[in-house]
Amino acid sequence: QKEVEQNSGPLSVPEGAIASLNCTYSDRVSQSFFWYRQYSGKSPELIMSIYSNGDKEDGRFTAQLNKASQYVSLLIRDSQPSDSATYLCAVTGSARQLTFGSGTQLTVLP
Amino acid sequence: NAGVMQNPRHLVRRRGQEARLRCSPMKGHSHVYWYRQLPEEGLKFMVYLQKENIIDESGMPKERFSAEFPKEGPSILRIQQVVRGDSAAYFCASSRRREAGLTDTQYFGPGTRLTVL
Repeated sequence: QKEVEQNSGPLSVPEGAIASLNCTYSDRVSQSFFWYRQYSGKSPELIMSIYSNGDKEDGRFTAQLNKASQYVSLLIRDSQPSDSATYLCAVTGSARQLTFGSGTQLTVLP
Repeated sequence: NAGVMQNPRHLVRRRGQEARLRCSPMKGHSHVYWYRQLPEEGLKFMVYLQKENIIDESGMPKERFSAEFPKEGPSILRIQQVVRGDSAAYFCASSRRREAGLTDTQYFGPGTRLTVL
């Protein structure tokens, strides 16, 4: 079983719609959760971090964490074509390094 | 405030040569992490360093790869006797010194694309 799992996609949504990205993790002692965005040929760019159960909102982005279900998600409201990228879920536990999922490729159709 | 800097951005080596990748963390950051992204694969942790110390190298291949973060200067990831399978994007990330109750957020540099001919 992979430590961090994401649906690889591709996920396509029309412009203006809500994009929903999901991630599950296997290590119950995981402490910190991150969403990164990676455009093709570029480096990961931090979008959101979340540490406590519940929702965290930042502009058009909302991260949701449920530690009991070992589940973290990212919602993108009013999706724009510029949001088209690969979204990486990453988790840290007692070790400092990030463990990444394989990423979900999102395409926002104009 | 400069971000994480990596150089070179692109590096071409022939099989058997050495590759040296450099990373300067963000100002105020003392933790450095190296990750590798193979073509069409996810990001994998390689090594975690603080100044003059390797904290965790559990993701580093046992042979040919080494890393350092000297007291002065950038962190260096060194790959000796490169093979074609080393062709990948190598990303460095940095975070600030962790204090009690805080979690380090890692910020990534632009990466070095290594091509082995």
